[in-house]
Amino acid sequence: QVQLQESGPGLVKPSQTLSLTCTVSGGSISSGSYYWSWIRQPAGKGLEWIGRIYTSGSTNYNPSLKSRVTISVDTSKNQFSLKLSSVTAADTAVYYCARDGVGATYDYWGQGTLVTVSS
Amino acid sequence: QSALTQPASVSGSPGQSITISCTGTSSDVGGYNYVSWYQQHPGKAPKLMIYDVSNRPSGVSNRFSGSKSGNTASLTISGLQAEDEADYYCSSYTSSSTPKVFGGGTKLTVL
Repeated sequence: QVQLQESGPGLVKPSQTLSLTCTVSGGSISSGSYYWSWIRQPAGKGLEWIGRIYTSGSTNYNPSLKSRVTISVDTSKNQFSLKLSSVTAADTAVYYCARDGVGATYDYWGQGTLVTVSS
Repeated sequence: QSALTQPASVSGSPGQSITISCTGTSSDVGGYNYVSWYQQHPGKAPKLMIYDVSNRPSGVSNRFSGSKSGNTASLTISGLQAEDEADYYCSSYTSSSTPKVFGGGTKLTVL
């Protein structure tokens, strides 16, 4: 059973960079034809796709965040990471990592981690 | 504004059936058989309930079913139970600038 776990600071100051890591267990991040995505959800609001990475390193980003987002992968650690620069209060949200399968399927999700942007 | 349109809320009594719609365009819902539905309870991560329009992952109750007509996909829950009360999100593959898009979510209340 694949499991994902997000980790990183829960509080980030405005204008700084938000950094999160997703650790995948129960299977190799390199096996199968999967992308690995980051998705966020502000309190009381819907889901917003941030971006994704393939184990080859190929990435896709949400155009609305593209200038601030970097997603990377470390296959040796079975992890992938998110960096979001120049954060503001609008970036406060629960951040999820998820396995991104064929079509529209996110079949495995992390439990989510709340990141608050505040001074 | 979300790319896919869902009703903000639906409700039903235990034992009844409800349907949640998800309307997109020919560039997403209407163009591909890649629509998924997710259930999210408060404070929890979304859970995949339906994929590829009408397929259920292992372990998901057969009370949940999906369908699609034109640019609108639907999730039907039959035999409503109290535990079904949650938020539901649809997602579709899209040919636009992002590979997948979400709906705005629908809050299901079991009366």
